[in-house]
Amino acid sequence: SQQGEEDPQALSIQEGENATMNCSYKTSINNLQWYRQNSGRGLVHLILIRSNEREKHSGRLRVTLDTSKKSSSLLITASRAADTASYFCATDSSIFTGANSKLTFGKGITLSVRP
Amino acid sequence: DGGITQSPKYLFRKEGQNVTLSCEQNLNHDAMYWYRQDPGQGLRLIYYSQIVNDFQKGDIAEGYSVSREKKESFPLTVTSAQKNPTAFYLCASSNRLETQYFGPGTRLLVL
Repeated sequence: SQQGEEDPQALSIQEGENATMNCSYKTSINNLQWYRQNSGRGLVHLILIRSNEREKHSGRLRVTLDTSKKSSSLLITASRAADTASYFCATDSSIFTGANSKLTFGKGITLSVRP
Repeated sequence: DGGITQSPKYLFRKEGQNVTLSCEQNLNHDAMYWYRQDPGQGLRLIYYSQIVNDFQKGDIAEGYSVSREKKESFPLTVTSAQKNPTAFYLCASSNRLETQYFGPGTRLLVL
């Protein structure tokens, strides 16, 4: 079952611009995570935000979470050509916080950063 | 790709044949997962295991089987009952910090 839905499906920007990607979900969550996937490779974890947090930063990444709207956004500032990849949001709705997670992934956003 | 390895990178299956995809991790993680990725479909969970000798079906378990005899290993068998096996298969593991670490993937093609 698909929980997270990302928006837009594809995004093309110029190097140096900011990229904003959105994710909406349907059920209550323990946390929401963003992953990146380069073509033909495995996923790499970028950032995790818990249900009681509203914003987190990691380097050029900024994630926000609005549990009332069941939505999250990922902002990549000062984008680089190397940021070209697919980005996925994943939600953890594990009953017990701290238990090993079972994630539900969205379909992903394809980001292209033009040099 | 961290401490998770998947092999082979490409796998070809003949009709009616069972094939096994390997997944090994040296991260000492309790939980391991198998996902299937089709174009435009994102990742769908096939099976997961939270501890040795125990595993649970995910959203699309039909036509697949797994075993978890060792903490480090979680092989996936694609059986002949899986009529549309062509996909990119990803293995992942996690600990109680909830982040999942992924292997490089195996691409399965049908001859």
